[in-house]
Amino acid sequence: ELKVEQNPLFLSMQEGKNYTIYCNYSTTSDRLYWYRQDPGKSLESLFVLLSNGAVKQEGRLMASLDTKARLSTLHITAAVHDLSATYFCAVDNIGGDTGNQFYFGTGTSLTVIP
Amino acid sequence: NAGVTQTPKFRVLKTGQSMTLLCAQDMNHEYMYWYRQDPGMGLRLIHYSVGEGTTAKGEVPDGYNVSRLKKQNFLLGLESAAPSQTSVYFCASSKTILEGLLSYEQYFGPGTRLTVT
Repeated sequence: ELKVEQNPLFLSMQEGKNYTIYCNYSTTSDRLYWYRQDPGKSLESLFVLLSNGAVKQEGRLMASLDTKARLSTLHITAAVHDLSATYFCAVDNIGGDTGNQFYFGTGTSLTVIP
Repeated sequence: NAGVTQTPKFRVLKTGQSMTLLCAQDMNHEYMYWYRQDPGMGLRLIHYSVGEGTTAKGEVPDGYNVSRLKKQNFLLGLESAAPSQTSVYFCASSKTILEGLLSYEQYFGPGTRLTVT
């Protein structure tokens, strides 16, 4: 069974601190996606990681992909309140043996407190 | 360029009623998806389509049907709504080339909040 597991599920951190969200997956896909969702809103694409060793950065967020370990990380540097949201990782298995599907993690709900 | 749009945004149904949710995309994407999102369960794939005239089942297809008669539209139907189908429904589309590699980055619609009483 294909799985995408994120941890932690809930994260409360102080402004200015650093933290990492982990995403483990069980497919052999080389494509990993990070999305952000604000309460009551849709999902917004943050990062697209398409190969082993890929690293992308945008502001205080940096995502990386290790396809050998089937692990992606989303690192938060010097958190600010505006980063409070739920973050999802996802992999696709398009072209794989279980059909052309996407698999999402259950999300990490991040709250940044002053 | 509107991206992915969904109609309606909100709907309340009585048990046993039927309805159709419409998803439209103007990005010429091949792939389209319907998800439901329930508290604490992330997104679960209902059905998807890899091209006009094709559909396939996802993780939770029971109670739903879909059609993709035109490339830009993907319809999700509930024939006989049940309270368990109360959820937020998201449509997404994908397939593009990014940095020279094939990417299936999904672009999401704004969602439809459905309540079945």
